[in-house]
Amino acid sequence: DVKVTQSSRYLVKRTGEKVFLECVQDMDHENMFWYRQDPGLGLRLIYFSYDVKMKEKGDIPEGYSVSREKKERFSLILESASTNQTSMYLCASSLQRSVGEKLFFGSGTQLSVL
Amino acid sequence: AQSVAQPEDQVNVAEGNPLTVKCTYSVSGNPYLFWYVQYPNRGLQFLLKYITGDNLVKGSYGFEAEFNKSQTSFHLKKPSALVSDSALYFCPGAGTASKLTFGTGTRLQVTL
Repeated sequence: DVKVTQSSRYLVKRTGEKVFLECVQDMDHENMFWYRQDPGLGLRLIYFSYDVKMKEKGDIPEGYSVSREKKERFSLILESASTNQTSMYLCASSLQRSVGEKLFFGSGTQLSVL
Repeated sequence: AQSVAQPEDQVNVAEGNPLTVKCTYSVSGNPYLFWYVQYPNRGLQFLLKYITGDNLVKGSYGFEAEFNKSQTSFHLKKPSALVSDSALYFCPGAGTASKLTFGTGTRLQVTL
């Protein structure tokens, strides 16, 4: 079965710190996604990538950047963390570039910015 | 703009009773509709999807969903609820050439 692994389950950072969230998938999927999940707001797409070194902005990219140097790894970067970035971050992958493909999710990283 | 709506924040049902979790959509072109479930402290898991074909879609764990074009709905159903079905359910959707949009989710609580 596909496994999507997020490096940290819980993370506590201070305002202004640079934060890296790592995600690795083991099934050679083309596409990878970063979402954030907030109560009452559901899941919102931050960035996604259809190929190595390729990235596209989602619905809420402000304050974030991403890196995809290898096919299996997709990193989310908070250049200068702020308290409004406290959230659950979910990484996902899918096999092919089609909106009809099912997503495989990691277990999430609960980030607290103090 | 593409959107999906889950009109109920929470659904309560007794174990053994049928359950329905509602979802309506508004997308351009042919809809791509999904149901995902999130158990506590876990990521989302795929349950089922509708792209084309039969309006009744069968998925994992005994769940099914009915696509209704005239009502623009894609409600999730199960004939007999289990306590272990208690979780957060999401109904994301997309239109042709658009990104997947998630709603706010519906919490299902199944009690003995």
